[in-house]
Amino acid sequence: SAVISQKPSRDICQRGTSLTIQCQVDSQVTMMFWYRQQPGQSLTLIATANQGSEATYESGFVIDKFPISRPNLTFSTLTVSNMSPEDSSIYLCSVVVWGVYEQYFGPGTRLTVT
Amino acid sequence: GIQVEQSPPDLILQEGANSTLRCNFSDSVNNLQWFHQNPWGQLINLFYIPSGTKQNGRLSATTVATERYSLLYISSSQTTDSGVYFCAVQGAQKLVFGQGTRLTINP
Repeated sequence: SAVISQKPSRDICQRGTSLTIQCQVDSQVTMMFWYRQQPGQSLTLIATANQGSEATYESGFVIDKFPISRPNLTFSTLTVSNMSPEDSSIYLCSVVVWGVYEQYFGPGTRLTVT
Repeated sequence: GIQVEQSPPDLILQEGANSTLRCNFSDSVNNLQWFHQNPWGQLINLFYIPSGTKQNGRLSATTVATERYSLLYISSSQTTDSGVYFCAVQGAQKLVFGQGTRLTINP
């Protein structure tokens, strides 16, 4: 398995501002992902974070709104830019560990935009 | 893309009862996982089960890949079992989540 930490755990932000969420894993992983979970909904994949190159975004998500970095095998950041109340969600980091098939999830960042 | 349907959407039970949650998927998969999301939002891995049967304490799961469904069994439910249970499947590409079953266990 993997121990995944996310910072911040929660935040309340004003409309038009940006927030950067950090994800740190305690072991080397093959893949890192960012998900969004809107209130009362299931999880939706935002993008796959690629080490040293641009992230791969899913349909409906763009780099200008959700820039992602992954400078090494164990760390990634997701920025939610120019926020609106519709961005209020839980944002989750997820990883696949070397030699293991399961995906593991961090504790999430609960974002409220006012 | 692959479709995932979970049933029932909501389930309310008394402590001590047993329950069965179902996950149907539309295509062949090489990864199927069950998760429990607790009331604080943490997703906890329950099973990695693309086929066959596994048991862990009061929980067990069975996936019949040829018929494209998986079942999660919870026996002797406890209030701490409350939360949302997600099935997630992966075919050739990304992990796709179902809409979840919200389980409420009353004391």
